[in-house]
Amino acid sequence: NAGVTQTPKFRILKIGQSMTLQCTQDMNHNYMYWYRQDPGMGLKLIYYSVGAGITDKGEVPNGYNVSRSTTEDFPLRLELAAPSQTSVYFCASRTSGQETQYFGPGTRLLVL
Amino acid sequence: QKEVEQNSGPLSVPEGAIASLNCTYSDRGSQSFFWYRQYSGKSPELIMSIYSNGDKEDGRFTAQLNKASQYVSLLIRDSQPSDSATYLCAVAGGTSYGKLTFGQGTILTVHP
Repeated sequence: NAGVTQTPKFRILKIGQSMTLQCTQDMNHNYMYWYRQDPGMGLKLIYYSVGAGITDKGEVPNGYNVSRSTTEDFPLRLELAAPSQTSVYFCASRTSGQETQYFGPGTRLLVL
Repeated sequence: QKEVEQNSGPLSVPEGAIASLNCTYSDRGSQSFFWYRQYSGKSPELIMSIYSNGDKEDGRFTAQLNKASQYVSLLIRDSQPSDSATYLCAVAGGTSYGKLTFGQGTILTVHP
């Protein structure tokens, strides 16, 4: 049971490039979340999903897109990378009726 | 704008002492309250959750909630060097699909 996995662990992007951060969970959780954490700060919600085919914006969605075609996967897309998107990105999931969110190991992104 | 504020750190306590971490929140509709521990370079790990006014104890950890004052705290008794980490307070509303609003975190250092 792997829990929540994220790839890649680390990536350097040039300004204007695009990439997809992958997130997969094997716990059959219907809720999934993407957060970003800037240095010395708490986590801020980017997007979330309550089930396959259903996504919604969080607190800081600008510059990002998501999709949820399956229960297991919740990829986060950056279309035109900007230095302000340099951060650590965490994916999390939880099941209905349970408040505990399980976090993946994170993806460290550097945009230069 | 929902806000969660934590007492400014860093906080340094000697081994064996009680560490006290505080958090206030702005949304009176908040229903669920969490404390996460985050070691440097790692993902957040849930250590306590509390939903009703009063105290909740789990081993060396005690969470305290006062909804009237919009205040939640975490006490760590018999602090150990292994408790040295960043502690994140997180709050969820009653109908927010489990979306968490995090505080900025408090860095705790327990010195031998």
